[in-house]
Amino acid sequence: DAKTTQPPSMDCAEGRAANLPCNHSTISGNEYVYWYRQIHSQGPQYIIHGLKNNETNEMASLIITEDRKSSTLILPHATLRDTAVYYCIVRVNLNNDMRFGAGTRLTVKP
Amino acid sequence: NAGVTQTPKFQVLKTGQSMTLQCAQDMNHNSMYWYRQDPGMGLRLIYYSASEGTTDKGEVPNGYNVSRLNKREFSLRLESAAPSQTSVYFCASSITSGGTTDTQYFGPGTRLTVL
Repeated sequence: DAKTTQPPSMDCAEGRAANLPCNHSTISGNEYVYWYRQIHSQGPQYIIHGLKNNETNEMASLIITEDRKSSTLILPHATLRDTAVYYCIVRVNLNNDMRFGAGTRLTVKP
Repeated sequence: NAGVTQTPKFQVLKTGQSMTLQCAQDMNHNSMYWYRQDPGMGLRLIYYSASEGTTDKGEVPNGYNVSRLNKREFSLRLESAAPSQTSVYFCASSITSGGTTDTQYFGPGTRLTVL
């Protein structure tokens, strides 16, 4: 099963881009990379996912390296409301078992 | 749409007491899940139900039972609560199980303390 490694914490200035890295060097060819976030003990919120191409939606962009061993979640213009714990998850199996690690605590500062 | 709802929001139990956590979704999703989150840690899957009438163990099933009552509702039961079960419990749902692109939607959580 692919595991993920994320920095425990990061800071970002309000209005600037927040770039959150994730390593998943043992990812297999059919495993997707998902990003969720959790704001202050609320239920996790889906952000974005991808397989090998870069993806963008209204919340964020996901950049996956060509070898798929790492990825970066980009919040283009971080706001104070983006302060949260961000989880990078690689799908473990076909039964939808989402394995959450400790995530990265992003603090957006004024 | 309310999405995923959970009751109660807070609960305090004494060791050995039993209780059932309720979860309902109104998105017509086939799959439902129960997670627990201990302080400072990520979520861990307790049980899931890929479709109505089926349930399967997740990463940490010991001490819990589940019932998929119908397509909308998935309950989690603690038969004899222990202090180690003090945690925040999240319910989630997704359209289907078994797809690599499925997205889970989470409820607001139930904060359980066992004394």
